Amino acid sequence: QSALTQPPSASGSPGQSVTISCTGTSSDVGGYNYVSWYQQHPGKAPKLMIYEVSKRPSGVPDRFSGSKSGNTASLTVSGLQAEDEADYYCSSYAGSLYVFGTGTKVTVL
Amino acid sequence: QVQLQQSGPGLVKPSQTLSLTCAISGDSVSSNSAAWNWIRQSPSRGLEWLGRTYYRSKWYNDYAVSVKSRITINPDTSKNQFSLQLNSVTPEDTAVYYCARGLGITMIVDWGQGTLVTVSS
Repeated sequence: QSALTQPPSASGSPGQSVTISCTGTSSDVGGYNYVSWYQQHPGKAPKLMIYEVSKRPSGVPDRFSGSKSGNTASLTVSGLQAEDEADYYCSSYAGSLYVFGTGTKVTVL
Repeated sequence: QVQLQQSGPGLVKPSQTLSLTCAISGDSVSSNSAAWNWIRQSPSRGLEWLGRTYYRSKWYNDYAVSVKSRITINPDTSKNQFSLQLNSVTPEDTAVYYCARGLGITMIVDWGQGTLVTVSS
């Protein structure tokens, strides 16, 4: 099972929006509506930000949103804030297995 | 609120077995709706899902292809915890290892604190 493909980096100024892509195959992202997104700050465990493509757990700001088209999922962070600077990883159910993305470092300029 | 507390050695010699345990509070390892995962993270491999155990009238295990021949994940119902054993380790297995709780087998929601395991003689 290959890792999902994400851009290594993305950036935006405070208040702007940034969108991160996550490309897989029909065996993972394209085959199921079970894409999740995680935020990870240095030295910390990942934190769930989006599940089932577009749902937000309780406590996650509505500035975070997710979508999917075909084999590519996307995470958009609107109204960027300094605390959004972190690594972001997508993941997908892949039919009894689970696969993560390569990770994207988001920088708030 | 679910909490996961990891324990185990931080240094393992090449060819030996890596063993970690994850103690669960706030849920049950025998839950019919949860799954109990091990995940590792290294600079070279990123986040890598290793496998899971879960109970649905009987116990099931799923393992990543990359480690399938070397890995065992076991539940311990008497202590409400689960464990990871990875055999025949090499320096490539050096990583931060996380235990994590899934809701069903389609999403991972809670993570342990992580344990850095170094494989070195």
